[in-house]
Amino acid sequence: GAGVSQSPRYKVAKRGQDVALRCDPISGHVSLFWYQQALGQGPEFLTYFQNEAQLDKSGLPSDRFFAERPEGSVSTLKIQRTQQEDSAVYLCASSPPRVSAGGPSYNEQFFGPGTRLTVL
Amino acid sequence: DAKTTQPNSMESNEEEPVHLPCNHSTISGTDYIHWYRQLPSQGPEYVIHGLTSNVNNRMASLAIAEDRKSSTLILHRATLRDAAVYYCTRQRTYKYIFGTGTRLKVLA
Repeated sequence: GAGVSQSPRYKVAKRGQDVALRCDPISGHVSLFWYQQALGQGPEFLTYFQNEAQLDKSGLPSDRFFAERPEGSVSTLKIQRTQQEDSAVYLCASSPPRVSAGGPSYNEQFFGPGTRLTVL
Repeated sequence: DAKTTQPNSMESNEEEPVHLPCNHSTISGTDYIHWYRQLPSQGPEYVIHGLTSNVNNRMASLAIAEDRKSSTLILHRATLRDAAVYYCTRQRTYKYIFGTGTRLKVLA
């Protein structure tokens, strides 16, 4: 079946421009995550949605970063007045409801290919 | 939340087993351990996960230390297609905490 898709795959922006990155999760996945991955580093958590509700935005680096998921499916990560330090790969992941086999629950996250943002 | 720690890089010969270590000394009792791998220009791909017991699946095995402060991902026979960055992550509730990963190079 179709996996998580992201668009655009590559985005070049001039410093100060606004950008919008789109994520199409796997159909039926209630949870959606955004991560930022700097070169040579592991992904860093940005924000988490359960359906349309943004339950955690503690990882957003500044108030220039804004994410939404208005109908509980597609999500958009917007970065206003981009800076050079915003250059990174932005990954989206979705997951089905957590599984609990009599113990703490877990889930598997399915990642999209990412959007590589370069700010000049 | 403390990140997991892994060696920056490892090498293996093709068709030989590979043991990728991970330290997660601050793990709590309800944190799951997940391993993902990432090929160039792709998002991370699930490999395996566990809580306390060792786990096996078609891709790999996961050995978890008795005190849960470390784990080892075992690829039984490395192939060229296994060359990737391998991430050991802690899952606490919904949040994944990634380390910097191990870049695995497989030699033909």
